[in-house]
Order: sequence, then structure tokens, then C-alpha cells
Amino acid sequence: AQKITQTQPGMFVQEKEAVTLDCTYDTSDQSYGLFWYKQPSSGEMIFLIYQGSYDEQNATEGRYSLNFQKARKSANLVISASQLGDSAMYFCAMRGIQGAQKLVFGQGTRLTINP
Amino acid sequence: GAVVSQHPSRVICKSGTSVKIECRSLDFQATTMFWYRQFPKKSLMLMATSNEGSKATYEQGVEKDKFLINHASLTLSTLTVTSAHPEDSSFYICSAGRGFTEETQYFGPGTRLLVL
Repeated sequence: AQKITQTQPGMFVQEKEAVTLDCTYDTSDQSYGLFWYKQPSSGEMIFLIYQGSYDEQNATEGRYSLNFQKARKSANLVISASQLGDSAMYFCAMRGIQGAQKLVFGQGTRLTINP
Repeated sequence: GAVVSQHPSRVICKSGTSVKIECRSLDFQATTMFWYRQFPKKSLMLMATSNEGSKATYEQGVEKDKFLINHASLTLSTLTVTSAHPEDSSFYICSAGRGFTEETQYFGPGTRLLVL
């Protein structure tokens, strides 16, 4: 079975600072994908970044980067130069070979950016 | 990116009535769609996998007679909450993918259901 763990229920960061959101995972699949989503108060799920298990380089998308440490089974999201609009819930998710496209989500981290 | 719509965005109904929620992939065909439920300040819980032309696959603990799923075409899946009760009040989100392993699923905007 696949499992995603996010141990930070809430994070508070000053605007313009960088923030790291933790995510660890557990799977027996050799091939899998890791995703990060942002969910603002409106409820929509916004895709941020993807990392494949065989990707040797950490994924980056603008201000978002994924610190992928396969041996430690961690896939932390790093947001550089945080902005007030980054305040939201953030979910780490995994998809493996088993269960086709099914995603397993972590508990989420509520990020609050202070001015 | 691909677009998934959901309708209605918000619904209030009386206890005992049934509510249908539609999920449409607007610019791609989706043989598989997913239905999630989310309680306030909680994570998304997968309810079922909707398969076009066949029966849905429900996750453990989800009542299939309570949450009816129909995936009649490659662009439409519906979730019907039958004989709704106040405890069914929740945020329901659907998603669909284009079948590429490395690509995200595309999520609908969600439906807030309140059962009085």
C-alpha cells in the first residue's frame, strides 16, 4: 500500500522568505510519481509540480522546486520568495503503477504567509 | 492544461432527497475519472474510480448504494448521493487524466453539498 505523510499541520512564514513543506512517502512500487497541489480557500486543486521516481534531477517550476531524496523517501516542496498569495493548503500526493492513475494524498499543510 | 468542469458548484438539499453532481472533461476524453470527498480542513479521500462503460470501483468503506456513479460517456461522469443525510454534507471533487503517467490529473472546481 502507498502512504504519504505530511507532518506539518501548519506553517507560518514571513513574506519573501523561502519555505520548505515536508513530505515523506512509502511504497513498494519501483516506478511512481510524486505531485504537489495547492488548494486555496476556494477549494480548487492547483497542480504545482511533478517528480518521477526515475528522474535524476529535482523538478523545478518557477518559484517551486521539489527536493527529491529517494533513499530517504522524501519529496519536500520548496517555495522561494514567498508571496501573500501563497497562503493555502498544500497537498503532497503519489501515484504508483498499482491502481493505474489513482492518487494517494497526504494530510496537507496549511501555509500562512505573513506580511 | 486540460479542463474539467463540475456542476453544480454548490447545492443545498433537504434530508432524504437525492443529489446528482456532474463531472465533465471539456477538452479531452477520459476513460477514467475519480471522485473524492473532502471534509473541512482535511485531505482528499478517494471514494471511487469511475470507469467509462463499466461499473465503478469503490474504495473500502464507501457505500456503493449510497453514492451511485455513472460514467456513460468519455467526457461525463456523475455522482448521485441518494437519500442524502446531514452527514453527507461535504466537498466533493472529481478529477480526470489523459492517461499519461507523468501528467497530473485535472481536478474539477468541486461541489459543496449541504444537507439540511
